[in-house]
Amino acid sequence: GDSVTQMEGPVTLSEEAFLTINCTYTATGYPSLFWYVQYPGEGLQLLLKATKADDKGSNKGFEATYRKETTSFHLEKGSVQVSDSAVYFCALGSGAGSYQLTFGKGTKLSVIP
Amino acid sequence: SAVISQKPSRDICQRGTSLTIQCQVDSQVTMMFWYRQQPGQSLTLIATANQGSEATYESGFVIDKFPISRPNLTFSTLTVSNMSPEDSSIYLCSGAGQNYGYTFGSGTRLTVV
Repeated sequence: GDSVTQMEGPVTLSEEAFLTINCTYTATGYPSLFWYVQYPGEGLQLLLKATKADDKGSNKGFEATYRKETTSFHLEKGSVQVSDSAVYFCALGSGAGSYQLTFGKGTKLSVIP
Repeated sequence: SAVISQKPSRDICQRGTSLTIQCQVDSQVTMMFWYRQQPGQSLTLIATANQGSEATYESGFVIDKFPISRPNLTFSTLTVSNMSPEDSSIYLCSGAGQNYGYTFGSGTRLTVV
């Protein structure tokens, strides 16, 4: 079945550092890929998405490119801020009418001043 | 995208009691889902809420413990029945549709004492 493997955390970075959170997936067909963010005490918010190979999703300085050849969707940001401290979830939507999402385990990011 | 209002946002309940969580969407959604997020863990799908019929439960979840209703395309409830401390989690509802992807409610943080 579908699965998402996400880099283990927690990750601690200094402000303005470069961020990469790795995400790889296993799926049949042509899934859509998502990054969600969960700030402390809140629900999930969609950060960005990509629906087909080579698509780049971007939002709030974060980017991820759908790489079918490496089955990856790594999240990057060039300069993190303290306000980026949150848990980040990579997710896969298998589509085909099911609309179900499969989530990675989440990566907790802490950014220190 | 659709906006989901979920309530209550948090509750502390006595073991053996039941809690009903409500989700109201501001527009019609094709699918609605209920997830559980145990402390420090990723999201686990409990069930798909089907409009006008019984929900479809994932392995390990049963209707007697987690009865779900979805009387129309904008509203769903999840009841956590006969609660025990092991049910302490964040419960999230999600709506999905072809035109706007997936949206999550802000979550219900449940503590059973």
